[in-house]
Amino acid sequence: ETGVTQTPRHLVMGMTNKKSLKCEQHLGHNAMYWYKQSAKKPLELMFVYSLEERVENNSVPSRFSPECPNSSHLFLHLHTLQPEDSALYLCASSQDGWRSEQFFGPGTRLTVL
Amino acid sequence: AQTVTQSQPEMSVQEAETVTLSCTYDTSESDYYLFWYKQPPSRQMILVIRQEAYKQQNATENRFSVNFQKAAKSFSLKISDSQLGDAAMYFCAYRSPQGGSEKLVFGKGMKLTVNP
Repeated sequence: ETGVTQTPRHLVMGMTNKKSLKCEQHLGHNAMYWYKQSAKKPLELMFVYSLEERVENNSVPSRFSPECPNSSHLFLHLHTLQPEDSALYLCASSQDGWRSEQFFGPGTRLTVL
Repeated sequence: AQTVTQSQPEMSVQEAETVTLSCTYDTSESDYYLFWYKQPPSRQMILVIRQEAYKQQNATENRFSVNFQKAAKSFSLKISDSQLGDAAMYFCAYRSPQGGSEKLVFGKGMKLTVNP
């Protein structure tokens, strides 16, 4: 596997379910990100991890819980979601530092019923 | 706070022709990065081109070039000799150097259709 991978690619869940999204990067980067992409809205940054420490949390509801066990893996744990949380969730990674390009995964299309 | 505006939600271009995608942004910072990302229907977002604000020369990458007007806070993308594979959503993005933040601020995107 190369680049940034995400699993699953599609997920349908009920509002009472608990699920997790997984992201893995094979680029040797030390920063990872979760974005939410909804129709007709700009991409919204949710979380940033740099050297496995969370450095940014953009006022995301607590029903979204990130986990970064090491620099190559990033999870987004989901519980008691709402239908308005249905969106494409994109993971990205980069080298630390603002000049570095972010590389994106293919995303997980989440539908909350 | 920085904002990025892409005022045209959709555009179309004939194959082999040239098209320009517009982007404006708002910031009080003097140095920053600007990016154009492409998101084809397969959904993998990829970087097309980037420009550092302190560099006056416009960035170019093969058929892609930018017109960076710092005073006007404008960052347009020109695609020359358009190809069918250029059809995608295009996002303009801004990145601040402030406080070690890795945050990218994106515009809403623009859907480009390439007609054969």
